[in-house]
Amino acid sequence: DADVTQTPRNRITKTGKRIMLECSQTKGHDRMYWYRQDPGLGLQLIYYSFDVKDINKGEISDGYSVSRQAQAKFSLSLESAIPNQTALYFCATSDLTSLGTGELFFGEGSRLTVL
Amino acid sequence: AQSVTQLDSHVSVSEGTPVLLRCNYSSSYSPSLFWYVQHPNKGLQLLLKYTSAATLVKGINGFEAEFKKSETSFHLTKPSAHMSDAAEYFCVVFITGGFKTIFGAGTRLFVKA
Repeated sequence: DADVTQTPRNRITKTGKRIMLECSQTKGHDRMYWYRQDPGLGLQLIYYSFDVKDINKGEISDGYSVSRQAQAKFSLSLESAIPNQTALYFCATSDLTSLGTGELFFGEGSRLTVL
Repeated sequence: AQSVTQLDSHVSVSEGTPVLLRCNYSSSYSPSLFWYVQHPNKGLQLLLKYTSAATLVKGINGFEAEFKKSETSFHLTKPSAHMSDAAEYFCVVFITGGFKTIFGAGTRLFVKA
């Protein structure tokens, strides 16, 4: 089983619908992240959380919200999806051991298409 | 300002020939540097990392990279490409002082038989 699991892996939805992408991890890491990947742009940080009570906006948080339900769970929501939110979304984790080096551990991605 | 530039969006090599994927960075602080690989429909997997120890870093699957501070480069190399190396590769800078991670735009590697 993967250490960082994302659901759903693929989702097609319509403009205006609410969408939730879920992430769970078994690595025991405190820190969790949501990234968005668009072709030719690398990965951009949407939100990150350093523990259950800590939520921080990233570079491109507009139109997104998150919830850290537990140390192991971090969900990303699109309250009203729009076509330019069509992208590949990644959840990632890190911990204090890797914090000093910045190493991230990624899920396999959730591909979202908004029609 | 900190930034990462991957100098080639696409690289094509023949199987058995060397691979060179180029990465330059800009940072006011001593950075940690990474290369990640992304195979189709998969997440990003760490290939190797530089964290201010040896400047020549060896990673998985025969890849290595050399940190050159004077050239602000961290190029990824492999002596002999294999078909399974076909993937997208990301150069990443981590700014320790600001806990900020910056991704390059990615280089897609094609390997011809």
